[in-house]
Order: sequence, then structure tokens, then C-alpha cells
Amino acid sequence: KAGVTQTPRYLIKTRGQQVTLSCSPISGHRSVSWYQQTPGQGLQFLFEYFSETQRNKGNFPGRFSGRQFSNSRSEMNVSTLELGDSALYLCASRLTSGVEYEQYFGPGTRLTVT
Amino acid sequence: GENVEQHPSTLSVQEGDSAVIKCTYSDSASNYFPWYKQELGKGPQLIIDIRSNVGEKKDQRIAVTLNKTAKHFSLHITETQPEDSAVYFCAARDTDKLIFGTGTRLQVFP
Repeated sequence: KAGVTQTPRYLIKTRGQQVTLSCSPISGHRSVSWYQQTPGQGLQFLFEYFSETQRNKGNFPGRFSGRQFSNSRSEMNVSTLELGDSALYLCASRLTSGVEYEQYFGPGTRLTVT
Repeated sequence: GENVEQHPSTLSVQEGDSAVIKCTYSDSASNYFPWYKQELGKGPQLIIDIRSNVGEKKDQRIAVTLNKTAKHFSLHITETQPEDSAVYFCAARDTDKLIFGTGTRLQVFP
């Protein structure tokens, strides 16, 4: 069974631009969560989608948004990029919503904002 | 909300020695504590977890202990091997999401 895939793997953007990252969960998984990983802040939860609905949201500004499609694939969007948005963005999928279900992470998308 | 502190930030051990990583949490209502291992260029992978109704859990060379009174939990790796070298993250449940510690970089020297 294929793992979680994320595209693109690397991205360079300029301040003020917007970016869209994509995540394909493991087949059959309906929950997708997004995390931001930086050296200073570690792993921080962005949001979780389940059955095309946002279930939970972390403490990030409204510039960070996401959505989930009927096939469970998910995208996250960051608008008006800032230098501080440079990070590894990780997607994780679960069979269903609920933190006690094992989540499987993808390899991440490395975003660099210049 | 939940806050998780993790120590140490780096840990170097000789192959065959034991390694211990400690985490403390703030919310006494937390009831689920997973540990993740992240290798270079990869996403974190769940290696072991413990629920608040259990004090200790083992899986081969890895064990996790939980002290609910003191609100801390620890990861123990025995007989370390070079392939154990990675960044380890603890996490604690905060309602419907996980709050992660800042990570421990473990280096195992042959």
C-alpha cells in the first residue's frame, strides 16, 4: 500500500506570493492533518480535515487555509507569504478522525520564502 | 491549552548503551502520549504510545513510562544501535489534537 505522498517536495517563493501544497493520503484514510515544522517551534498543528470538513484548527493566522476533496486528497494554501512561513509542511493521514488512531506522515514539502 | 516540554535537546550515546528522553505536560486531562521518530528527509513515524490508564509499555528495545501525578513521561531505548540515530518527538493529547515537544536529536556512535 502506498504511503502518504506530498507534492511538491521543494518550493521557493517570494514574500507576498501565495502557495498551494498537495497531499494524497493512504488509500482508505479519510482524515488528513497538516503540520508546520521549524527548528525554533518544532511541530505545530495547523488543521485537520475529515470527510471534506475541517475538524480542528491550530493557532495560525487566516492566511493558512486548507480543503479536502471527496477522494480525501487535501490541499493547504498560504496566502501573502512571509519570511517566517519558511518551514517543512507535513501532512499526515489517519483511517478516521481521532488522535488515538495512528497517523502516518508524508515526507513533507520544504517551503522557502525569500 | 496543553504545553509539552522535552529534554534533552541532543543526546549522544555509545552503541549498546541506553538512552532516556523525558517530557512533561501541563494538562492533567491529557490521556494519550505517543512518541515519534523522524529520520533525515522523512516524516515522523509513530514508534510507541501510552494511554493514561497504563504506567508502562514495552516493545522490544523501546519502553515508555508515564507518571500521571508528576505529569511526565519518558522514552527508554536499550541496547542502542546506530540506526536508532534520529530526532525523537513526544506528544500529548489536547482535546482533538496532539501537542508536540521540541524534539531530541539522538546520536548513537559505533
